[in-house]
Amino acid sequence: QQQVKQSPQSLIVQKGGISIINCAYENTAFDYFPWYQQFPGKGPALLIAIRPDVSEKKEGRFTISFNKSAKQFSLHIMDSQPGDSATYFCAASPHKAAGNKLTFGGGTRVLVKP
Amino acid sequence: EAGVTQFPSHSVIEKGQTVTLRCDPISGHDNLYWYRRVMGKEIKFLLHFVKESKQDESGMPNNRFLAERTGGTYSTLKVQPAELEDSGVYFCASSRFSGANVLTFGAGSRLTVL
Repeated sequence: QQQVKQSPQSLIVQKGGISIINCAYENTAFDYFPWYQQFPGKGPALLIAIRPDVSEKKEGRFTISFNKSAKQFSLHIMDSQPGDSATYFCAASPHKAAGNKLTFGGGTRVLVKP
Repeated sequence: EAGVTQFPSHSVIEKGQTVTLRCDPISGHDNLYWYRRVMGKEIKFLLHFVKESKQDESGMPNNRFLAERTGGTYSTLKVQPAELEDSGVYFCASSRFSGANVLTFGAGSRLTVL
């Protein structure tokens, strides 16, 4: 049973385009939603995170949109660059008292063509 | 600050053999986590140490897996005997504090069971 569903599995976008990755969750106890970026041969690294008290968070070219009622959140990569080519994982975890037990989505391989 | 170090980076063993994976967390990080990604699927939580104590081992697949963290420093994850379905990438992560804090992941140990 996959508690966080991520789509698409892969994505090809032209340089300068917008990459959009979507995630949906079921567990209403989740209240922390990070996105991790993983380059080949490296471990996942925290990219950006959001809590459900805000509907959007932007850091540079990366934006998380959050829809609490729909239990969905998404990552938008604006002006995508070849250096953004990586695998992106959405994740969720319950209240911080439960520790950093992250539930991950299946990952999206993003390829940005020059 | 040195990152999370995992060894070996890749291990190929025969079914029925034993493998031990090692993780050195960032110095001073009391919280250590093991995660696993099997067959390109989602990254799944295995267990969580706080210092040398197992805080949560609910994700351990079965009793063929044994994790230890003697002295609260580095950790080992032993698989004995290994089965084909154990193939995947095993990630270690650490954090200074528990809760929804930033996890720093290692590059992973890829295990191939033939």
